[in-house]
Amino acid sequence: KQEVTQIPAALSVPEGENLVLNCSFTDSAIYNLQWFRQDPGKGLTSLLLIQSSQREQTSGRLNASLDKSSGRSTLYIAASQPGDSATYLCAVLYNFNKFYFGSGTKLNVKP
Amino acid sequence: DGGITQSPKYLFRKEGQNVTLSCEQNLNHDAMYWYRQDPGQGLRLIYYSQIVNDFQKGDIAEGYSVSREKKESFPLTVTSAQKNPTAFYLCASSLTSGNQETQYFGPGTRLLVL
Repeated sequence: KQEVTQIPAALSVPEGENLVLNCSFTDSAIYNLQWFRQDPGKGLTSLLLIQSSQREQTSGRLNASLDKSSGRSTLYIAASQPGDSATYLCAVLYNFNKFYFGSGTKLNVKP
Repeated sequence: DGGITQSPKYLFRKEGQNVTLSCEQNLNHDAMYWYRQDPGQGLRLIYYSQIVNDFQKGDIAEGYSVSREKKESFPLTVTSAQKNPTAFYLCASSLTSGNQETQYFGPGTRLLVL
């Protein structure tokens, strides 16, 4: 059974700090991995998508890496801002659009 | 504006009642999905549809039913057989069912049991 784990479950940092969110998955036969942001009571917004053949993707202050062999992905957020406060979810695609989601890391960036 | 709409935002269900959650998209996407999110947990796939008039069960389909009569619409019915329906329900769509497609999510419907 595919499992996706995110550590830590919650993180609180002062504004301006660089931070890393972790995602691990048990089965390395993935098609792609996505990082999403979810604000309280809202839907998900896609941040980055990494294909299985890629090692990393960047968008602005965000950088996501993928190491399939070790079953890990990290989301790096540079120079964090209070507006980054949200829950960050990673999702792994194995086949035919069956995404498996982690339970998320709730990030609080303090002004 | 292109996007995915879900209605209602909040829905209350009485015991033994079937309720239907609406999901509409104007993105011209072929594939649509329904997920359930419980507090502190990730999303779990209920049903998905890769094309009109076709849909497949996800990991937790018991107690739910769907239809896909139109490309832009994918309603989810929570039946009385679903004994623990209280959750946040999210609809999503993607251009195709290919592995390179990202999913776009609606704002969600919160279902509560009276």
